[in-house]
Parts: sequence; structure tokens; C-alpha cells
Amino acid sequence: GQQVMQIPQYQHVQEGEDFTTYCNSSTTLSNIQWYKQRPGGHPVFLIQLVKSGEVKKQKRLTFQFGEAKKNSSLHITATQTTDVGTYFCLYNQAGTALIFGKGTTLSVSS
Amino acid sequence: DAGVIQSPRHEVTEMGQEVTLRCKPISGHNSLFWYRQTMMRGLELLIYFNNNVPIDDSGMPEDRFSAKMPNASFSTLKIQPSEPRDSAVYFCASSPQGYTEAFFGQGTRLTVV
Repeated sequence: GQQVMQIPQYQHVQEGEDFTTYCNSSTTLSNIQWYKQRPGGHPVFLIQLVKSGEVKKQKRLTFQFGEAKKNSSLHITATQTTDVGTYFCLYNQAGTALIFGKGTTLSVSS
Repeated sequence: DAGVIQSPRHEVTEMGQEVTLRCKPISGHNSLFWYRQTMMRGLELLIYFNNNVPIDDSGMPEDRFSAKMPNASFSTLKIQPSEPRDSAVYFCASSPQGYTEAFFGQGTRLTVV
């Protein structure tokens, strides 16, 4: 089946620094979603990417889907303490159900 | 809409007891997912229903776990008998269609002692 690696596992930044998390697949993905989970909370949907090379922005967040649809990234510009949490990519495997990456936990110090 | 509703929010039970987790999906959503989250294994998909029919239950750990969706507004996840290694947060999520945005419930934190 598909092997999707999400890196890094943890990232600590100073407030104002940028942050990027990556999901890399060994096979082509149909689509990919990104979720954020705050400590003690539940995953919350951020975005879905479907098209090759797609780039979407939400304020300070930029999401990209690679040309080969094998990798995706989430970039946060000028992090704030409110960005703290774990960011997950989510993809569908073998056309059936949705599988989460292992997540990148972001901590931000002010 | 109140979103996905899970109950109970917290459950502490003794090893060997039966545990039933409940989920009410968002009205009109036809896909429902049960996930389990632990520090070691992250978020694992247990089972996926579409139009109340189990489509993929390959993530169900073993025969001690069972899930049902008797109608479009209710699903249960049962563990019998429970074991300490089942301790985790269990999330239910629903989506309008299988591969679109999933809405998660608050989760049930299960502790088996």
C-alpha cells in the first residue's frame, strides 16, 4: 500500500519564525487533506488539495500539492502562539478510507 | 447543527468489562469514521461506514472490537472484553461524502485499568 511519511515529527520555533511540515508519498495520491489538532482537542479540517501543483493560501498558511501528486507541504509564515498544535496530512488509501500521517507537533515560544 | 456528538467524554473501566462508545454524526452526512489516537501509534482508522454500511474495517484491532451503524444518525463502537492496551482517545468523524472534509467529535478518552 501507500507509504506516506510526514516530517518533521516535532518542530520548535520562536514566535515570528516560519514553519513547514511535509508529507511525502511513495505513490501518487488522489488528494490530500490537512488538519490541525490543538493540545487536548480534536482534529479540525484546514484544506483539501486535489490538483497537481495546486497552491492554496489561508492567511499565513500556504498549502502545496506537488506536480507528481506525491508530496505536499504546509507552510506557516511568521508563526504565532495560536499556531501551536499538531498538523496532520490525511490521504485516502486504495480508494477506500482516509489515513492520517503521523503528524508534526509545533511548539512556539514567545 | 451541533456537530458530531460523542458520548461519553470520559470512560474509566476495569479490564474485562464491556465498553460501548457512541456517536451521532452530522445530519445529512453519509460517511462515518471511527479513529483511535495514542501517543505511540498516532491516529489510526478503525472502521469506515458509507450509507450505514461498513466499507473498510481492516483497522479493527481484533475480534474484541465491533462497530455498528443501525441508522444514519447513530453508531456504536464496542470493546468486549476491554484490556489496558485499549486505553486511548477514540474519535468519531463524519463527512458529506467519503473523501471530503471530515468533521470530528470531541472524542472519548477511555482508560482501562
